[in-house]
Amino acid sequence: KNEVEQSPQNLTAQEGEFITINCSYSVGISALHWLQQHPGGGIVSLFMLSSGKKKHGRLIATINIQEKHSSLHITASHPRDSAVYICAVRRNTDKLIFGTGTRLQVFP
Amino acid sequence: DSGVTQTPKHLITATGQRVTLRCSPRSGDLSVYWYQQSLDQGLQFLIQYYNGEERAKGNILERFSAQQFPDLHSELNLSSLELGDSALYFCASSAGFRPTNEKLFFGSGTQLSVL
Repeated sequence: KNEVEQSPQNLTAQEGEFITINCSYSVGISALHWLQQHPGGGIVSLFMLSSGKKKHGRLIATINIQEKHSSLHITASHPRDSAVYICAVRRNTDKLIFGTGTRLQVFP
Repeated sequence: DSGVTQTPKHLITATGQRVTLRCSPRSGDLSVYWYQQSLDQGLQFLIQYYNGEERAKGNILERFSAQQFPDLHSELNLSSLELGDSALYFCASSAGFRPTNEKLFFGSGTQLSVL
């Protein structure tokens, strides 16, 4: 079993829909990252969380340390949000452990 | 643009060969991280350098090595290449050596194809 599990693996949505991507982990962590990887391959770091909630534009990330769970929400989704979203956790080292990613496609 | 530069973007080589991937971090960033992304294993951490010194090691093969130079650019050397080394190799940078509270900035990656 992977230390970091994401669901769903694939997600399709209609433009404007509210989207939720989930990440569960089985180890103690010091921080959790949400990354976005576009079809061209480039990776952008969206959020780094150690507690609570963060918001940036239409993106919201939350984390519940006790339940070992994080969610990434996208409000008013748009085709340009189509990408692979990757959750990564950091334990008490400098290494990131990555989830397998959620492939999101938003159709107009 | 993340400010992290990776070269080359694409590399095609044969089994048994040796290649060098290069990464220039964002201006002012002292840490460089190398990651490998393959279809079957996903993203995996390879190694981190901070201000010229190795800081952390992940799933890096003995055939692979890296270094960070005084100007803070880093090189990842892959030798005795095998078909399974075909992957996208990313570097990322951050300001400090404990990125717990820092975002990472990723380069656009080097696509390595071993034929």
